[in-house]
Parts: sequence; C-alpha cells; structure tokens
Amino acid sequence: DAKTTQPPSMDCAEGRAANLPCNHSTISGNEYVYWYRQIHSQGPQYIIHGLKNNETNEMASLIITEDRKSSTLILPHATLRDTAVYYCIVSAPFKYSGAGSYQLTFGKGTKLSVIP
Amino acid sequence: KAGVTQTPRYLIKTRGQQVTLSCSPISGHRSVSWYQQTPGQGLQFLFEYFSETQRNKGNFPGRFSGRQFSNSRSEMNVSTLELGDSALYLCASSLDRTTNEKLFFGSGTQLSVL
Repeated sequence: DAKTTQPPSMDCAEGRAANLPCNHSTISGNEYVYWYRQIHSQGPQYIIHGLKNNETNEMASLIITEDRKSSTLILPHATLRDTAVYYCIVSAPFKYSGAGSYQLTFGKGTKLSVIP
Repeated sequence: KAGVTQTPRYLIKTRGQQVTLSCSPISGHRSVSWYQQTPGQGLQFLFEYFSETQRNKGNFPGRFSGRQFSNSRSEMNVSTLELGDSALYLCASSLDRTTNEKLFFGSGTQLSVL
C-alpha cells in the first residue's frame, strides 16, 4: 500500500470548516483513499473513501486532486465531538492486492483539536 | 444493528500467562481483522480471517494466534505474555474485503501485562 503524509496536529475553531490534508504521491491506479478517525480510547471510525471523484456523505467531504497525489478531508462545521486523530489510508481492494498484502496500514494521523 | 463487540473491555495479566480475547462481528459480516495499538507503534495489523481461514498475517511472533468460528465470531490468543504486549487490541469486521469494503471497529480490549 502507498505511504501517506499528514500533518501531526491541527486546530480548528468550533463551527468552522476543518480541512485535513493528506499526501499520497505514490498512490497506484487501483488504490482507494480512506479516512478513519479515532476518538480517545475508542476504535477507529470509518468516515469516507474515494477513488478519483470527490465524495460527500453525512459526515464529511473528500476532495481528491486530479493527479490523485493528494486529498483533503473536509468537516464542514466542526464540533467539539470532532476532536480526534484522523487517519488517511490508501489501500487496494483485496482482489487486486492479493492475500499476501491485505491490510490497512495506519500512519500516525493528524490530531485535530476543535477549539470552543 | 449491533456493532462489533469485544470482550473483555479491560484485562490485567502477568508475564508468562496467556490470554484469549473475543470478537463478535456485525451480523452478516464474514471478515474479521485484528489490530494492536500501542503509543509507540500505533495501529498495527495482526491478522485477518474470512470463512474460518486466516487470509493474511502481520509481522508478529508466533505467540499471537487467532481463529474464526463458523458463526464468524473470532478469538485471538497471546501466549507467554511479555510486558510489551500491553496494548489496546482492536477487532474490525466487514462484509468481505474482495471489494472496497469499509471496516467497522469495536471499542477494543485494553490489555495490561504486569
């Protein structure tokens, strides 16, 4: 799986949009971009994923650049409950990566602090 | 729909003992993965099971093992515990991983080895 680079920490004012960047310059054609977050002492929670088109769901929006080398997760109106570590992961579906390489590789993520 | 359930939530053991952790996936999910999380190493993949078969294994010693039952429930076992095995052990389930399925994680079992 391709490696990702994220800033170690970010602050965001409550009610404002939080824009979390991720670089994945070595991403291959069949690899998806996934975002998970982990609130302290809980398991990671899936947020959103995409291949090359921008995606939006009830939690967030995912903007992927045309060359797919970077992406941005957008939380449109951050609340205190969005304070968490956000992980950007690139991974190919099992059928492409094969049994020997299946897994999600988590980096250190970005610690987002939402400030009142 | 109930989420991924892991038991127990907390566990304290001493060095040399063994431990078994349990994971019940979301109903209908057939793939179960295990991860170890420590402050120093972060989240690391242990292994993944599908239809009672281990499909992939991470870079952990043979003291770490697992299995999956016919109802998709999974257990992982750590034998001869070491201090460094103290960690949050997370289980995740998905329908399958042949496509771009998302993972649903449990709250984890916090293991402390004294």
